[in-house]
Amino acid sequence: GENVEQHPSTLSVQEGDSAVIKCTYSDSASNYFPWYKQELGKRPQLIIDIRSNVGEKKDQRIAVTLNKTAKHFSLHITETQPEDSAVYFCAAEGSNYKLTFGKGTLLTVNP
Amino acid sequence: EAGVTQFPSHSVIEKGQTVTLRCDPISGHDNLYWYRRVMGKEIKFLLHFVKESKQDESGMPNNRFLAERTGGTYSTLKVQPAELEDSGVYFCASSRGRLASTDTQYFGPGTRLTVL
Repeated sequence: GENVEQHPSTLSVQEGDSAVIKCTYSDSASNYFPWYKQELGKRPQLIIDIRSNVGEKKDQRIAVTLNKTAKHFSLHITETQPEDSAVYFCAAEGSNYKLTFGKGTLLTVNP
Repeated sequence: EAGVTQFPSHSVIEKGQTVTLRCDPISGHDNLYWYRRVMGKEIKFLLHFVKESKQDESGMPNNRFLAERTGGTYSTLKVQPAELEDSGVYFCASSRGRLASTDTQYFGPGTRLTVL
């Protein structure tokens, strides 16, 4: 089955800096990669996703890149703000049609 | 549109007791998923319903876990008897279609289960 590795497990940045979270996956047939953000005490919410037919997608301050050859994808947050502080999960939809999640990254943005 | 709701938000029970978690999906969503996150680990798939049928229950840890979705609306997940390693946050999610790539999975707020 699919295996998703996510790094780092924790990330602390200063407000205004960029943050990058990286994930690798094992199932070469995976073709959909969502990112979820979970703020403290709240539900995970989809913030951005990418399909295998594109290499990059951007939505304001967040972007996701995908390298299918290397089987890795990354979340980039620019000009970080304190409200970006949360746990971020990457996931991959594999050939079994299930979402497999990474272990999460706790991002802390210090004012 | 109301989101996915889960009840209770927290549950603290003793080892050997029974607990039943409930999930109400978004109205009209045929697909309902249960996930679990143990402290510091990944959100792990447990099972998937399409309407009232179990489409995939390959993630269920063992036969102490029983999920039902009578009538294809809300779902329950019962743990009987609970063990210490069952502690974690249980999430429910729902979607219209079965492929995450075409139909977003919307998550509930989760039930935090603590087994003492």
